[in-house]
Amino acid sequence: KQEVTQIPAALSVPEGENLVLNCSFTDSAIYNLQWFRQDPGKGLTSLLLIQSSQREQTSGRLNASLDKSSGRSTLYIAASQPGDSATYLCAVPSGGSYIPTFGRGTSLIVHP
Amino acid sequence: ETGVTQTPRHLVMGMTNKKSLKCEQHLGHNAMYWYKQSAKKPLELMFVYSLEERVENNSVPSRFSPECPNSSHLFLHLHTLQPEDSALYLCASSQVRRDTQYFGPGTRLTVL
Repeated sequence: KQEVTQIPAALSVPEGENLVLNCSFTDSAIYNLQWFRQDPGKGLTSLLLIQSSQREQTSGRLNASLDKSSGRSTLYIAASQPGDSATYLCAVPSGGSYIPTFGRGTSLIVHP
Repeated sequence: ETGVTQTPRHLVMGMTNKKSLKCEQHLGHNAMYWYKQSAKKPLELMFVYSLEERVENNSVPSRFSPECPNSSHLFLHLHTLQPEDSALYLCASSQVRRDTQYFGPGTRLTVL
């Protein structure tokens, strides 16, 4: 059974800082890894999808890396803004399955 | 808009009521999912319907009953719920084994 851990659970930073959010998983036989964003009381929005053959994906100020062998992924947010305040979720399928297991998320607050 | 809609957005029901949650996707996907999100818990997969299979989380009580009449619609029928079933219920869709999941805005359910 896949287990997904996200560190830190919460983060509060001033605007402009570069941030690193961490995700670790126990079963490395995965199709892909996804990072999502969730605003309070809302659904999830996909940020980045990394296929198992890839090492990283970039979208604007976001960069996600994947190290399958060590069971780790990081989400790097450059020059953080108050609008980045949200919960960030990492999702990884169980071995051989396409159905993702979610971490508990990192709750991010960026102060103006 | 993500192309996945859910109704109602908010629902308050008593323990003896019967209600249904509806999800519709307009993305041409072939897999649909129900998730439960409770406070301070990871997103919990409840059911998956796809061309290949139906997947049930064995820990989901029988008072939750899914229905998937076609690839675009998914229902969650609720009966004799308990207060601990109060949560945000999220629907998602995807192309099986490819692409990311697209989430609806969720239904906030309160059981009195």
